[in-house]
Amino acid sequence: KNEVEQSPQNLTAQEGEFITINCSYSVGISALHWLQQHPGGGIVSLFMLSSGKKKHGRLIATINIQEKHSSLHITASHPRDSAVYICAVRAGTSGSRLTFGEGTQLTVNP
Amino acid sequence: DGGITQSPKYLFRKEGQNVTLSCEQNLNHDAMYWYRQDPGQGLRLIYYSQIVNDFQKGDIAEGYSVSREKKESFPLTVTSAQKNPTAFYLCASSNRGRWQETQYFGPGTRLLVL
Repeated sequence: KNEVEQSPQNLTAQEGEFITINCSYSVGISALHWLQQHPGGGIVSLFMLSSGKKKHGRLIATINIQEKHSSLHITASHPRDSAVYICAVRAGTSGSRLTFGEGTQLTVNP
Repeated sequence: DGGITQSPKYLFRKEGQNVTLSCEQNLNHDAMYWYRQDPGQGLRLIYYSQIVNDFQKGDIAEGYSVSREKKESFPLTVTSAQKNPTAFYLCASSNRGRWQETQYFGPGTRLLVL
């Protein structure tokens, strides 16, 4: 079992829909990252969070430390949101590096 | 514009050949990283460097080598010992090399074996 599990693997939505992507992890963490990978391959960091909730534009990221779970929400989805969304965690132990999920492929149709 | 550049975008390797992937950043970041991405798998860390003239192996360092002679540059050499080099390679940097920091990624290099 991977340390970081994302669901769903693939998601297709219609423009305007509310989207949720989930990330579950099996270790205690000090930080969780959400990343966006564009079709060309470039990766952009969206959020880094260790507790609570963060919002940027139409994107919202939440984390529940007790349940070892994070969600990325996209409101009023648009075709330009089509990308792979990647969750990565840093374990809470000293010297731990990032462990990445396999990613969720999101396609938003007009 | 500040950012990370990787070159080339596509690279072809012949059997037994070493190839070097370039990564340059002008963000004045101390730390730099190399990741490998394969279909259906998460990014895996090859090497990282938290300061000039120092670097550490990541999870899949076998068949790869790096150098960090300048703060802004962290080239990755894929040696002939790497038996399955076909992958997408991503370089990243962060300010101080702490794993909870935001990492900034380059556009990637796709390596293909002829």
